[in-house]
Amino acid sequence: SQELEQSPQSLIVQEGKNLTINCTSSKTLYGLYWYKQKYGEGLIFLMMLQKGGEEKSHEKITAKLDEKKQQSSLHITASQPSHAGIYLCGADMRTNAGGTSYGKLTFGQGTILTVHP
Amino acid sequence: NAGVTQTPKFRILKIGQSMTLQCTQDMNHNYMYWYRQDPGMGLKLIYYSVGAGITDKGEVPNGYNVSRSTTEDFPLRLELAAPSQTSVYFCASSYTHRSPNYGYTFGSGTRLTVV
Repeated sequence: SQELEQSPQSLIVQEGKNLTINCTSSKTLYGLYWYKQKYGEGLIFLMMLQKGGEEKSHEKITAKLDEKKQQSSLHITASQPSHAGIYLCGADMRTNAGGTSYGKLTFGQGTILTVHP
Repeated sequence: NAGVTQTPKFRILKIGQSMTLQCTQDMNHNYMYWYRQDPGMGLKLIYYSVGAGITDKGEVPNGYNVSRSTTEDFPLRLELAAPSQTSVYFCASSYTHRSPNYGYTFGSGTRLTVV
């Protein structure tokens, strides 16, 4: 099983609809990154969350990290075809707060988002 | 400002052949990483480096080797290619081990097929 589970695995929505993608771990997340990937291209950084309860927004995309720092959600408001792609969460999953992971990230399996005009 | 550049973009290898995937960055980043992406499996870390002359294994290092002789370059070497190494390979870099404002910069990937 994956250390970092994303749900759903795929999502098809009509343009203008809101949607949420979740990223869940059984371990504490010391840094949670959200990336977007278009087919055949590299990953584009969206935002990073560190503190329990933290929330960040960029244009119509909002990401939250829960108080326990074990789950993050990515919410898109009024989706557009330009939002289509693969969304991946990546996390620093070191074993304790005092150590360092040297930036190594564990990734979820990705969520494929399709937005129909 | 090119960011992270990976070459080649596509490659087909025969079983048993060897090759080097090139990765170079022009941002003076200390940290560099190699990931592979298989369908439905997210990204898995192969090797990483925290600076010139320092490398270490990630989650799936078997069948690969790396070197970091300069800050800019972090090549990934495949020896004796196997079908299981068919994947998309991404190189990434970061100035520090935690980048809350910029994340990690990824290259556009190398799509490798071993037949």
